[in-house]
Amino acid sequence: NAGVTQTPKFQVLKTGQSMTLQCAQDMNHEYMSWYRQDPGMGLRLIHYSVGAGITDQGEVPNGYNVSRSTTEDFPLRLLSAAPSQTSVYFCASSFGLAGGQGTQYFGPGTRLTVL
Amino acid sequence: DAKTTQPNSMESNEEEPVHLPCNHSTISGTDYIHWYRQLPSQGPEYVIHGLTSNVNNRMASLAIAEDRKSSTLILHRATLRDAAVYYCILRDHGAGSYQLTFGKGTKLSVIP
Repeated sequence: NAGVTQTPKFQVLKTGQSMTLQCAQDMNHEYMSWYRQDPGMGLRLIHYSVGAGITDQGEVPNGYNVSRSTTEDFPLRLLSAAPSQTSVYFCASSFGLAGGQGTQYFGPGTRLTVL
Repeated sequence: DAKTTQPNSMESNEEEPVHLPCNHSTISGTDYIHWYRQLPSQGPEYVIHGLTSNVNNRMASLAIAEDRKSSTLILHRATLRDAAVYYCILRDHGAGSYQLTFGKGTKLSVIP
């Protein structure tokens, strides 16, 4: 299994540009999520999904959109990039919520810089 | 959400045991204690979790105080590869909440 994969690894955008960060998992996990990590900080939840067709907002959803058309993929869209969105973005997935099924598996991250 | 308190940083010599403390005085009865770690330039990875009893796995041991207001992650023999930021996280399994709330964690340095 490849686990959780993310593309691209690095991206530089200009203010106002839009782009999509890709996330895919091959573990047949129902739950997927996007976090952002700013320098020296912990991770903050942006959006999450509990299954295909179902998404919800996390702690910091403004400026981001998500959709979940398949179990495997969970793309994150930046609508109009702002310098405040400069961060490292991590995608994660888990089989369930509780106990060992709630263990989250993280991707390697996408480093985004907005100029 | 109940909060956790961890030291900002700790140091350990290679091949010695490391005890990483976490205080969670407002823990509720349905909160599980989870530990994740993040190696430099990587995503977090799961280490261990528990509710009341001490837990062991191939990576570490988790010692939970009898009143559950604190816990300790134990790495039995630190290696250079264990240098990472370690996060202690409370997760309410009863509430069905998905979110993991990460604090700043403890940055562990391992000295050769």
